[in-house]
Amino acid sequence: GAGVSQSPSNKVTEKGKDVELRCDPISGHTALYWYRQSLGQGLEFLIYFQGNSAPDKSGLPSDRFSAERTGGSVSTLTIQRTQQEDSAVYLCASSLGRQSYNEQFFGPGTRLTVL
Amino acid sequence: AQRVTQPEKLLSVFKGAPVELKCNYSYSGSPELFWYVQYSRQRLQLLLRHISRESIKGFTADLNKGETSFHLKKPFAQEEDSAMYYCALSENSGYSTLTFGKGTMLLVSP
Repeated sequence: GAGVSQSPSNKVTEKGKDVELRCDPISGHTALYWYRQSLGQGLEFLIYFQGNSAPDKSGLPSDRFSAERTGGSVSTLTIQRTQQEDSAVYLCASSLGRQSYNEQFFGPGTRLTVL
Repeated sequence: AQRVTQPEKLLSVFKGAPVELKCNYSYSGSPELFWYVQYSRQRLQLLLRHISRESIKGFTADLNKGETSFHLKKPFAQEEDSAMYYCALSENSGYSTLTFGKGTMLLVSP
């Protein structure tokens, strides 16, 4: 079946603009995660969803970042008033459940460039 | 807070040579450890996890709680092993948010 999909694959925006990144998880996966992959920083956890609720938002770097998930499926990560330091690859992953033994399946990522 | 350290940004070896990618962690509880791999122009994928005690593509990793390490090893590297490798930790307490190391790029030359 189809894996995790993300759109757009690339996004170039100007500093100060808002952007929306979309993640479509594997059908039936209740857990969804957002990570950020920056050069030299590895992968940073941003936010986790179980169903439509987000019990862990601890990784969101500032209040400019928000995310929602509707219908227990698609998730949108929104970055308001983008800054150059927001430039990174944003990865989404999903898993069958929240338990640690459930493998996380990653999407191809959205490369965000803030000019 | 948990932390994962991969001390090498780049590891370059010749084909057929042994490989060891180092990973150390700090976590006060009982962690679950994973290795993820990202080949060129492919998405990040799970390579192996310590609870499975399996060998994938010739790679093995042993969790050493005394040394808080989870090094990835392969006795004879192949060119197709060239990729970015990430060590990751998950709290064994309910849900599976991963804490990743910064990654090690493995380059295997012919």
